[in-house]
Amino acid sequence: DAGVIQSPRHEVTEMGQEVTLRCKPISGHDYLFWYRQTMMRGLELLIYFNNNVPIDDSGMPEDRFSAKMPNASFSTLKIQPSEPRDSAVYFCASSAGTGYGYTFGSGTRLTVV
Amino acid sequence: SQKIEQNSEALNIQEGKTATLTCNYTNYSPAYLQWYRQDPGRGPVFLLLIRENEKEKRKERLKVTFDTTLKQSLFHITASQPADSATYLCALLSSNTGKLIFGQGTTLQVKP
Repeated sequence: DAGVIQSPRHEVTEMGQEVTLRCKPISGHDYLFWYRQTMMRGLELLIYFNNNVPIDDSGMPEDRFSAKMPNASFSTLKIQPSEPRDSAVYFCASSAGTGYGYTFGSGTRLTVV
Repeated sequence: SQKIEQNSEALNIQEGKTATLTCNYTNYSPAYLQWYRQDPGRGPVFLLLIRENEKEKRKERLKVTFDTTLKQSLFHITASQPADSATYLCALLSSNTGKLIFGQGTTLQVKP
């Protein structure tokens, strides 16, 4: 398996633009997670899905953030409109279930200027 | 409030020694605890999971202990090598929320 695949690897965008981050989880993993990492706040859980259904989105900072999982092999995290304070590394992770470790992607480094 | 605390200061040790990293938590009822390794520019990599009813877990040169009374986990790397240099993150799965919450991590530097 190629692991969790995220794209793009880097994204630089202007304030106010829409940003879409993409994730392909490991086949057979029922759980998918979106995390954000900054120096100040560390790794923060934004939202997670179980069997493509959003379970907890309480970590999504604002209504500007939305996430979807239309099928078991694809998820998106969208920021519209983007702001400079959204600059961070965004990680997608998947897991086989409770009691298993998470497999993280390589992350998307987002810079909003 | 809920807190996961890892030593924010980098840990510097000599090659061949045992590295011990600490993870303390407050106001959590963790179902289990995990340790991850993160290298610069990469995502965290899962190392070990220990459940609340387990005291100790081992994997090759790694050992994790979990004391739910002290609310603490210790992570040991024996016979450390320069290649072990990285940031190590502990994470708790809250039995209340089902979320995996990460500490800020401790950076380990192993000198040859």
